[in-house]
Amino acid sequence: AQSVTQPDIHITVSEGASLELRCNYSYGATPYLFWYVQSPGQGLQLLLKYFSGDTLVQGIKGFEAEFKRSQSSFNLRKPSVHWSDAAEYFCAAHSGGGADGLTFGKGTHLIIQP
Amino acid sequence: DAMVIQNPRYQVTQFGKPVTLSCSQTLNHNVMYWYQQKSSQAPKLLFHYYDKDFNNEADTPDNFQSRRPNTSFCFLDIRSPGLGDAAMYLCATSRGGLAPNEQFFGPGTRLTVL
Repeated sequence: AQSVTQPDIHITVSEGASLELRCNYSYGATPYLFWYVQSPGQGLQLLLKYFSGDTLVQGIKGFEAEFKRSQSSFNLRKPSVHWSDAAEYFCAAHSGGGADGLTFGKGTHLIIQP
Repeated sequence: DAMVIQNPRYQVTQFGKPVTLSCSQTLNHNVMYWYQQKSSQAPKLLFHYYDKDFNNEADTPDNFQSRRPNTSFCFLDIRSPGLGDAAMYLCATSRGGLAPNEQFFGPGTRLTVL
């Protein structure tokens, strides 16, 4: 079955420190990959996406992600976090076809320490 | 700005009392999705419309129905809400077609069942 795994339920990072959130996928073929952020009580905002091409993708708010086919991973990174980055982060995938629904990981809750 | 709008943002209903949630979009997208997100969980796809074609997920309970009267609007009907249906309901849209594309999410409607 197709699945997306985010191994870390919670991550705590000090403000100004670097961040990496892990995401692994299990699909028959390389899926299309996304990272979304959700603030409390809000909808989902797209941070970045990978369809093909350059394996390092840049997103909004200073985030980037690297696709590694050999590791079936799509980890999200940020060199220096801000208190406003505290939120829930979801990795998601779909297998292609423009109408497919997204399969989400369980999310990683990011806590920023002052 | 083009966007996905959900009304109401908060909905309280009584056990067994039918409720309808609304979603509208100004993106002119072909596909509209409904996701259910229970507390501290990932969003889960309930169904989607590709134009007028309805696509139900296999494990979506019969209690959940949807209508799409035109391109811009899509409704989620819960015929007899149970306590377990309390959740955030997220509407999303995408262009559809064969090429990969992203989904745009609304802010969600938080449903409380008393």
